[in-house]
Amino acid sequence: ETGVTQSPTHLIKTRGQQVTLRCSSQSGHNTVSWYQQALGQGPQFIFQYYREEENGRGNFPPRFSGLQFPNYSSELNVNALELDDSALYLCASSLATQGSGYTFGSGTRLTVV
Amino acid sequence: QKEVEQNSGPLSVPEGAIASLNCTYSDRGSQSFFWYRQYSGKSPELIMSIYSNGDKEDGRFTAQLNKASQYVSLLIRDSQPSDSATYLCAVNINLNDKIIFGKGTRLHILP
Repeated sequence: ETGVTQSPTHLIKTRGQQVTLRCSSQSGHNTVSWYQQALGQGPQFIFQYYREEENGRGNFPPRFSGLQFPNYSSELNVNALELDDSALYLCASSLATQGSGYTFGSGTRLTVV
Repeated sequence: QKEVEQNSGPLSVPEGAIASLNCTYSDRGSQSFFWYRQYSGKSPELIMSIYSNGDKEDGRFTAQLNKASQYVSLLIRDSQPSDSATYLCAVNINLNDKIIFGKGTRLHILP
C-alpha cells in the first residue's frame, strides 16, 4: 500500500508567477483535500476533490484552483503568486463517507520572493 | 464560522508526567474528532480518532470527548522527550466533509 506523495518538496517562485503542486493519493482513497499551513498556524482548508469534482472550498481566492484526475491524483494551481502565499502546502487523501481522518503527504514548502 | 480552538502553548511537562491537551469546537453537529501530531518541518500524523462520548485509549494516549460541552482532550501518559511536538485538534462535521484544524498546541517534554 503506497502512501500520499507530493511533489516538489521545495519550491521558490517570484511574486506574480504561477505554480502547480502535485499529489498522488493513497491507494484505495478517492478523496483529496488541500491545506495551506503558514508558519506557526494550523492547516487551513483550501478545497477538497471527490471523484474529480470539487466538494467544498475554504476561504481562498479564485486564483487557487485544482484538479482531480481519474486515478484520484490531484493538482493545486496558484496564479499571480503573492508573498503571503509562502507556506507549507499539504495534500491529504481519504476514503469519502468513512470519516476516518486524513493521511497527509509530506508537503510542499513554497517560498514566494 | 465553524472553529476549533486550542491553547497555543508552549506547554512544558516533565518527562514521565501526564501531558493534558485541550480543544473546544463551535459546531454542535460535529461527528468525528481527531488528534494529529506534527514535528517541526514535517506533515501532521494522525494519532487518535474518537467518535462518541467518553474515553478512548491507545497505548500511552487517551482521547476524551464530551459533546455536551463541545470539548475534546488528549492525555499522554509517561511523557517522553520524543513526544515534544505540536498537537493539532481536528473536527469533521459530516463524514464526507472537510476536516477543520485548530492552530495547535506546542508541547515540550522536559528531560
